[in-house]
Amino acid sequence: GQNIDQPTEMTATEGAIVQINCTYQTSGFNGLFWYQQHAGEAPTFLSYNVLDGLEEKGRFSSFLSRSKGYSYLLLKELQMKDSASYLCAVHSSASKIIFGSGTRLSIRP
Amino acid sequence: DTGVSQNPRHKITKRGQNVTFRCDPISEHNRLYWYRQTLGQGPEFLTYFQNEAQLEKSRLLSDRFSAERPKGSFSTLEIQRTEQGDSAMYLCASSLGISGNEQFFGPGTRLTVL
Repeated sequence: GQNIDQPTEMTATEGAIVQINCTYQTSGFNGLFWYQQHAGEAPTFLSYNVLDGLEEKGRFSSFLSRSKGYSYLLLKELQMKDSASYLCAVHSSASKIIFGSGTRLSIRP
Repeated sequence: DTGVSQNPRHKITKRGQNVTFRCDPISEHNRLYWYRQTLGQGPEFLTYFQNEAQLEKSRLLSDRFSAERPKGSFSTLEIQRTEQGDSAMYLCASSLGISGNEQFFGPGTRLTVL
């Protein structure tokens, strides 16, 4: 079957660092996406990992371990505007992307 | 604005009615996707087009759902005999060519079936 697990909710403090974990079991794997989605808005692309390791992009970094079926999104220097849902998604075939249920991140001052 | 657009943004209908949504992808994108998203869940894949060809359909897409992309540009998603369980946000996304490329999402059409 296809299964993507990520925590439902997380809370962090402005200026701090937070790590959102994602584990997956899918029948195919081409890569792993992270998307950000603010309430009532469409998802926006954050990162796409194909190879193992850490990829850094400004305040956001994404890590992938294909052998462990594991990824995380690291957000540094948190800002209030980072309050959103973060979606882990597996690119399982040429055309199909399977999304997790998302992690709702709340930032407190 | 050259992003993905969807119309209408909101649709309220009575159970049993038919509805049709439209998606206009980014002009040079040849891949187009439809997703459905309910509150607290991630988007669920419905179907995928490469140019005008519908290459994949989810098992979620019952016989009441049909999608077209007649000229390989805009796409329509029709739901016949709507049910209350069809209430959701319907998202369209497009991407360019190579598999794994970033998908750009439209703002979605929120469907409410009364």
